[in-house]
Amino acid sequence: KAGVTQTPRYLIKTRGQQVTLSCSPISGHRSVSWYQQTPGQGLQFLFEYFSETQRNKGNFPGRFSGRQFSNSRSEMNVSTLELGDSALYLCASSSFGRGQDTQYFGPGTRLTVL
Amino acid sequence: SQQGEEDPQALSIQEGENATMNCSYKTSINNLQWYRQNSGRGLVHLILIRSNEREKHSGRLRVTLDTSKKSSSLLITASRAADTASYFCATAPGNNDMRFGAGTRLTVKP
Repeated sequence: KAGVTQTPRYLIKTRGQQVTLSCSPISGHRSVSWYQQTPGQGLQFLFEYFSETQRNKGNFPGRFSGRQFSNSRSEMNVSTLELGDSALYLCASSSFGRGQDTQYFGPGTRLTVL
Repeated sequence: SQQGEEDPQALSIQEGENATMNCSYKTSINNLQWYRQNSGRGLVHLILIRSNEREKHSGRLRVTLDTSKKSSSLLITASRAADTASYFCATAPGNNDMRFGAGTRLTVKP
């Protein structure tokens, strides 16, 4: 099976802009989770989608949003970018989600906000 | 918020030595997972150990779980330079989503 893919791999934006990141899960996986990783805060959970429904959301402002399509592909959007949004954004897919089984991670999207 | 805390934060050893990393967590769990991350890349799953298991092996990896102490350890035997990476433990308290610790940075010197 093909692994989890994320596009784009690198992105440079300026403050105030918005960005959309994409994640294609492993075929057959219905759960997609998103994480933000920074040197200062480590890996922080953003949200999880399962069968097109957001099941859980982390402690992030409303500028961070996401969605999942019927083919389980997921996108996350960050509006009104701030310098502090510079991070590695990781998505992970699994069959059941909620930590019940192994999560398979994509390579990440490195976002730099100038 | 983070659920697990790894110890030590950084570990440096010589090739061939064993490396032990510890993880403590706060609430009851159904399972605990260990992941590895090479610099700036995605995480790779290593082992999942369920709450009713005490020990699990995978190749050169050995994971133990002590639910009474809310702690786990990851042992890498006969380490190699390629094992240089950050190692994270992760749990999903209350069947919510997975929370990761800050990680242990392992450096294996050739």
